Amino acid sequence: DQQVKQNSPSLSVQEGRISILNCDYTNSMFDYFLWYKKYPAEGPTFLISISSIKDKNEDGRFTVFLNKSAKHLSLHIVPSQPGDSAVYFCAAIPGSGNTGKLIFGQGTTLQVKP
Amino acid sequence: SAVISQKPSRDICQRGTSLTIQCQVDSQVTMMFWYRQQPGQSLTLIATANQGSEATYESGFVIDKFPISRPNLTFSTLTVSNMSPEDSSIYLCSVAPSYNEQFFGPGTRLTVL
Repeated sequence: DQQVKQNSPSLSVQEGRISILNCDYTNSMFDYFLWYKKYPAEGPTFLISISSIKDKNEDGRFTVFLNKSAKHLSLHIVPSQPGDSAVYFCAAIPGSGNTGKLIFGQGTTLQVKP
Repeated sequence: SAVISQKPSRDICQRGTSLTIQCQVDSQVTMMFWYRQQPGQSLTLIATANQGSEATYESGFVIDKFPISRPNLTFSTLTVSNMSPEDSSIYLCSVAPSYNEQFFGPGTRLTVL
């Protein structure tokens, strides 16, 4: 039972354009969502998070949008750069009493072409 | 953020042996976590390691297979015991300085022959 789903295994965009990475979840009790970037042979790097009580959080080129009614979140990267090419994971925190437990999606491989 | 190191970075082991993975953090943290990423899969939490108490294991993971130590607030070890090829994975430790932040080490890539 996959509680966090990233239905697109891969995405390819041109440098300078917008990258939109999507994530769906099934449990309405999730109260925080996080995005990570992972290069080969490295651990995941934390990018940005959003609380379930918000619908948008922005940090530089990265913006995360949350649609609670649709149980959907997305990560926008603008403008995309070749160095953004990596695997992107969304993850959810199940709720109070589960500090540190992250439930991950399967990941989306982003390729940004120069 | 926290700086996390892991040893070894990779290893190739024989079936039936055990491997202990070390995780060192550059600051004191209450909670440390061990995750596994099997080939082509997502990350899955193995257990939570708090200093001074027994580790808490997630469903599907048991202490006999994955014993964990947490001797102080900056260090933890995970042992993968009696290994089989199915244990071939990347093992990652992480720390959560606050509720909505979690930082990962570089991972240990384990191959079991």
